[in-house]
Amino acid sequence: QVQLVESGGGVVQPGTSLRLSCAASGFTFSTYAMQWVRQAPGKGLEWVAVVWNDGTNKYYADSVKGRFTISRDNSKNTLSLQMNSLRAEDTAVYYCARDGYSYGRGTDYWGQGTLVTVSS
Amino acid sequence: QSALTQPASVSGSPGQSITISCTGTSSDVGGYNYVSWYQHHPGKAPKLMIYDVNNRPSGVSNRFSGSKSGNTASLTISGLQAEDEADYYCGSYTTSNTMVFGVGTKVSVL
Repeated sequence: QVQLVESGGGVVQPGTSLRLSCAASGFTFSTYAMQWVRQAPGKGLEWVAVVWNDGTNKYYADSVKGRFTISRDNSKNTLSLQMNSLRAEDTAVYYCARDGYSYGRGTDYWGQGTLVTVSS
Repeated sequence: QSALTQPASVSGSPGQSITISCTGTSSDVGGYNYVSWYQHHPGKAPKLMIYDVNNRPSGVSNRFSGSKSGNTASLTISGLQAEDEADYYCGSYTTSNTMVFGVGTKVSVL
């Protein structure tokens, strides 16, 4: 069955960096666009970034553009999110998710999330 | 990339039908038939309930249905059940090749 397992979350200070990973299994990873979505404490879902199945196209939310980089390794079935210049407002649970029907139509599988806390 | 507008809360009694609205612009909801809906129980992974405005993934109850008119999409839950109590989010593809979610609606079963 499809599994998405995030890792790499933790407590970091403002201005520092963190790298999240998502291990995918149970499906042909290289045929799906993949996304990161986050949820700040007490807030709603916020889309963060997407990378197309072959890694050729990447798009970001304005709130993270220039600071975050999404990438994937199809040989290792792994999705990553490099987060630089972290701010308090980046504190959230970060979900790795699969676009099930081609990008934008519906995100059909989600991981359980990893918590990132940015605090001094 | 402003969040789509949803009512903060909607409630209904068991067996009733409720509808959640999701209002955007011509750059997102109104521009494409790429609206999706998600059910989210706190502490769990969100679950896709509707994609492409009105399609249900395999395994999702037919009590859930979606529609769209202009810049507003809607999710209807018929035959409301206790297990439907959760947060619901709409999502849409945008002209900027990004995605945007709604602010979320808390559904309560009275």
